[in-house]
Amino acid sequence: GAVVSQHPSRVICKSGTSVKIECRSLDFQATTMFWYRQFPKKSLMLMATSNEGSKATYEQGVEKDKFLINHASLTLSTLTVTSAHPEDSSFYICSARESQNSPLHFGNGTRLTVT
Amino acid sequence: AQSVTQPDIHITVSEGASLELRCNYSYGATPYLFWYVQSPGQGLQLLLKYFSGDTLVQGIKGFEAEFKRSQSSFNLRKPSVHWSDAAEYFCAVVVRHNFNKFYFGSGTKLNVKP
Repeated sequence: GAVVSQHPSRVICKSGTSVKIECRSLDFQATTMFWYRQFPKKSLMLMATSNEGSKATYEQGVEKDKFLINHASLTLSTLTVTSAHPEDSSFYICSARESQNSPLHFGNGTRLTVT
Repeated sequence: AQSVTQPDIHITVSEGASLELRCNYSYGATPYLFWYVQSPGQGLQLLLKYFSGDTLVQGIKGFEAEFKRSQSSFNLRKPSVHWSDAAEYFCAVVVRHNFNKFYFGSGTKLNVKP
């Protein structure tokens, strides 16, 4: 149980375009989902906390107008990287939890390359 | 501020040998503790967690971890490593009053020699 599906797994886009990444909890309802960014040889950096039906909470230093997060249902959150630039190239990972005190379950990540 | 330290960036062990990955945390109270494993190009998979009770916790794939309050440590162990265990391992803590804040260590990359 507790499967989190993330799509796409890889995406290449041109500079200036927007890219949408989907995160779905397949067998549980996730009132809270989290978006992380992982730099090469680095740990995970929390970008934002996504709550169903409300605005996302962004971590300090993360541009909310650039990284748009929508959590429209209990099983789906999306991250849209707007006007992507090469420095946005990274590995983005979503996670979700079933309840307040549950561990995080992670998607398989999305490798974004902006050319 | 809370922090998680994994002092070993890389570890290489021979297949069949025992393994111990270190994790230390800095926090005033006992947090919730987790170990995750990440294969290349993949997300993270939960190996085990500690919330309370028995300080030796068993996880999947034959892993176990021991919480030692006096040392603020939560080291991950496996008695006999398999080649498929080669991956990156992350220790994580969550403060008990804010379960939205997971703090991850910088990871330990495990290589397994045949």
